Amino acid sequence: AQSVTQPDIHITVSEGASLELRCNYSYGATPYLFWYVQSPGQGLQLLLKYFSGDTLVQGIKGFEAEFKRSQSSFNLRKPSVHWSDAAEYFCAVGALAGTASKLTFGTGTRLQVTL
Amino acid sequence: GAVVSQHPSWVICKSGTSVKIECRSLDFQATTMFWYRQFPKQSLMLMATSNEGSKATYEQGVEKDKFLINHASLTLSTLTVTSAHPEDSSFYICSARRVQDNSPLHFGNGTRLTVT
Repeated sequence: AQSVTQPDIHITVSEGASLELRCNYSYGATPYLFWYVQSPGQGLQLLLKYFSGDTLVQGIKGFEAEFKRSQSSFNLRKPSVHWSDAAEYFCAVGALAGTASKLTFGTGTRLQVTL
Repeated sequence: GAVVSQHPSWVICKSGTSVKIECRSLDFQATTMFWYRQFPKQSLMLMATSNEGSKATYEQGVEKDKFLINHASLTLSTLTVTSAHPEDSSFYICSARRVQDNSPLHFGNGTRLTVT
């Protein structure tokens, strides 16, 4: 069974500081990995995804993530956080073939940004 | 592109009534849509996979007679919460994926259901 662990429930960073959100996964095959962001009362917006190839993937809003197979990790990073980045971040794993397209989400990390 | 629209964005209903939530893929065709449920400050839990023209596939523990799913066209799936109870109050989110390529799931903005 696939699973995702986000060890940090809540993180607070100062605006302009760097950010790293952790994500560890368990998956029986080559995983497809995603990071989504959710603002309060809203749906999810895709930040970035990893399917194959370069293990460092770039996303929207200045985010990037690195896939490390040996560590089963897919941590999200941003060099300089903006106040508007405050939100809930979800890591997800899944496959895209047929009925296996469903995603398994982590429990999320709530990011608070102080000015 | 790849916009998923969900309606309504919030609804309040009385116990015992039924509520229908619509999920539409606006600019692409989706043979498969997914319905998730999210409790406050928790992650998304997959409820069911909605397949166009066939019966939905429900996850373990999800009552299919309570959460009726209909996927009548390539752009529309509906979730009906029947005989709603206060414990059904939650945030329901749908998602869809274009089948032509390996694009990821795109999510609607969710529906906040409150049962009084």
